[in-house]
This record gives sequence, structure tokens and C-alpha cells, in this order.
Amino acid sequence: GENVEQHPSTLSVQEGDSAVIKCTYSDSASNYFPWYKQELGKRPQLIIDIRSNVGEKKDQRIAVTLNKTAKHFSLHITETQPEDSAVYFCAAAETGAGSYQLTFGKGTKLSVIP
Amino acid sequence: DADVTQTPRNRITKTGKRIMLECSQTKGHDRMYWYRQDPGLGLRLIYYSFDVKDINKGEISDGYSVSRQAQAKFSLSLESAIPNQTALYFCATSGRIQETQYFGPGTRLLVL
Repeated sequence: GENVEQHPSTLSVQEGDSAVIKCTYSDSASNYFPWYKQELGKRPQLIIDIRSNVGEKKDQRIAVTLNKTAKHFSLHITETQPEDSAVYFCAAAETGAGSYQLTFGKGTKLSVIP
Repeated sequence: DADVTQTPRNRITKTGKRIMLECSQTKGHDRMYWYRQDPGLGLRLIYYSFDVKDINKGEISDGYSVSRQAQAKFSLSLESAIPNQTALYFCATSGRIQETQYFGPGTRLLVL
């Protein structure tokens, strides 16, 4: 089955700096890579996703990059703000006809220091 | 996101008791999932269902069972609860084409 490794497990940055979280996956058949944000006491919510036919995707201050050859993908948050403080999870799945299931990384706790 | 609801939100039970966690959704999604979240371990899939007649085991199904009573309802049961099943449990749903999973608010379970 798929195995997703996520680093670092904790990350502290100064407000306004950039944050980068990296994930690697093991199954070369995986083609869908979402990122979820979980604020304290809340449910995980999708913030951005990327499919294997795209190398990079941006949405305002967040971006995700994918390197299929190396089987790794990264989340980039620029101009961090205190409200970016949360736990971030990456995930991977092989989608297509029939079924798919997400395999999650263990999460990164991001703290943005004002 | 009130479209996916879970009951109860918190539950304390004793070792050996049977307990059921319920999930309901009004999103009209076919696919429903149960995850378990433990500190430092991320989200792990317990069971998933792609329609009422389709139930599949996930990564950590031992000690759990599920029932898909209707398209909108998916229940998770612990037949005989044990302390290491203490965790935060999330239900999630997704559509047939769009892969985005929408999570419920979670059920915090403590097994004494």
C-alpha cells in the first residue's frame, strides 16, 4: 500500500516569513495529492490539491509543487500570518474508475509567531 | 460545515462496552469514510463505503465494524471497546467525481 512521509513534524516561523512542508510518497501510481489544514479543535479542511499532470498550483499565498520522478510534493505558504497556525496534513491517492482512498502523512504543526 | 454531522460529539465508555458512532450527511455524496486521529499519527482510515452496498476495510479495521444504513448515514461500531481505541474519530464524505473529502466535526472517545 501507499506510504506517505511528512516533514517536519513541527515548524515555527516569524510572521511574514515563508513556510515549507515536504511530503514523499511510495506508490508511483498515486496521482492525487491534497493538503488539509486542521485548526485547533476543528475538523480538517482542504486548502489546496494537485494532480499528477500538473507540476505546480497556486492559490493566493499558498502553493503546492509536485515532482513525480522523485515522488515528493511540497506545500509553500508565503507571508505567513498568525491565522496560518494549525496542523497541516498531506495525503496521496490513486484515483480513477472504481475506488480510491487517501493515505495521510502524520502532520506538521505550524506555529506563526507574531 | 453543517453538511456532515457526527453524534455523539464526546463519549466516555468502559472497557468491554459496545458503542456506536453515527455520521449523517446532506451533501448527497455517495462515498463515506471513517478515520481515527491520534496525536502524532495523523489520520488513519478505518472503513470506507462507496455506496450503500459497498463496504471496504481500511488500514486499521480490526476491532471495528460499520453499517451503511442509507446513502446519507454511515455508522461505526466498537463491539467491545478497549482503552487503546481512545481517539478522535472523524467521518468524511466525497462525491463520485470530485475527490475532495469533507470532514465531520469529530467524536472524541475515551475508553476507561
